[in-house]
Amino acid sequence: QSALTQPRSVSGSPGQSVTISCTGTSTDLSGYNYVSWYQQHPGKAPKVMIYDVSKRPSGVPDRFTGSKSGNTASLTISGLQAEDEADYYCCSYAGRLVEFGGGSKLTVL
Amino acid sequence: EVQLVESGGDLVQPGRSLRLSCTASEFSFGYYSMSWFRQAPGKGLEWVGFIRTFGATEYAASVKGRFTISRDDSKTIAYLQMNSLKTEDTAVYYCTRDRGYVYFDYWGQGTLVTVSS
Repeated sequence: QSALTQPRSVSGSPGQSVTISCTGTSTDLSGYNYVSWYQQHPGKAPKVMIYDVSKRPSGVPDRFTGSKSGNTASLTISGLQAEDEADYYCCSYAGRLVEFGGGSKLTVL
Repeated sequence: EVQLVESGGDLVQPGRSLRLSCTASEFSFGYYSMSWFRQAPGKGLEWVGFIRTFGATEYAASVKGRFTISRDDSKTIAYLQMNSLKTEDTAVYYCTRDRGYVYFDYWGQGTLVTVSS
């Protein structure tokens, strides 16, 4: 059982927007502004898409945005494209430890 | 370009030990913390532990007391020593460079560890 809770699956059509939620507790998400999101395509290593709640690494499209309110973080992908179909994991600092969500499979219809 | 290459994955029997290596290149290794993660077949990502630049370590509860992370800055290698292996340790193991708190900006390709009799 993962420490952070994500929906198992989300879907959207090309061009639409989807939001993936990540719910934690006061010991992780709401206690720190250190949340990151990772995209993983089948058979590949994860890739960081968002860090520090809402910052994008160089090279990540601005279609990917992150936010946090209380003990819930969110990743929003706008203008869905076929290549966005992947698994997405949220990650939070929890005071010397690192926690992951169980992952959300994004299907682009 | 930054590269991380894991090696050492193998098929081992329960109770045995195995050491994984993560060879880094094209960055100042000694200035970065390094982390290890794993992913069991068909499952999600799991943090294993990290080692800070000054050698301090932290581990997930599932591996604490059995796994040890170390580093050799002169060789730019991070190690994951795994003892008393269990079948549930079967996974692809990844190493990462740590850019900040839970900001893992480069990942290796992973190495498969299978624990089975």
